[in-house]
Amino acid sequence: EVHLVESGGGLVQPGGSLRLSCAASGFTFSSYAMSWVRQAPGKGLEWVSAISDSGDSTYFADSVKGRFTISRDNSKNTLYLQINSLRAEDTAVYYCARSGRGYWFDYWGQGTLVTVSS
Amino acid sequence: EIVMTQSPATLSMSPGERATLSCRASQSVSSNLAWYQQKPGQAPRLLIYGASTRATGIPARFSGSGSGTEFTLTISSLQSEDFAVYYCQQYNNWPVTFGQGTKVEIK
Repeated sequence: EVHLVESGGGLVQPGGSLRLSCAASGFTFSSYAMSWVRQAPGKGLEWVSAISDSGDSTYFADSVKGRFTISRDNSKNTLYLQINSLRAEDTAVYYCARSGRGYWFDYWGQGTLVTVSS
Repeated sequence: EIVMTQSPATLSMSPGERATLSCRASQSVSSNLAWYQQKPGQAPRLLIYGASTRATGIPARFSGSGSGTEFTLTISSLQSEDFAVYYCQQYNNWPVTFGQGTKVEIK
């Protein structure tokens, strides 16, 4: 059974940093592209970043480009999102999601909440 | 960036009724469209990809259609567990983008 478990969220001040992790199990992690998708409180879904199966290619939404970094460790079956220069508008639940053959998302984690506030 | 527009914002329906949700893309996305269901406090669940292919374990009452810029998700007979928010998503171009969602609520 596919399992994705995010961690690393919390309360952080504006301008601060966090590293989110997503532990994957139940599938061959190194064979799938992965993404981060976020959802601000009471709002819709916003794709944030994606990384290819090998980690060679990365993609970012304009809203986070230059502030967020995505990476993966295929030996540890773990996906990461380094988020820097946090702003109030980054407050959201951050989900990791596995990509299908195209960049649709067939499995999602339960999410981790990031709150940016002073 | 491709803008995805869903309509209506809210659909008030009774169990057993047929629900039709629409999603329009600001430019063609071919058939590279997915639909998701999200219930309060839960992660989204993939329903449809490739505009019309049901994901694993999705009941046959859910069907998707369309291509290019106009897409439809149909729920043939609403069950109590189907009242939720539904999102469309295009993955034809970067960045992938979601619609703003349609809430299907009990009438």
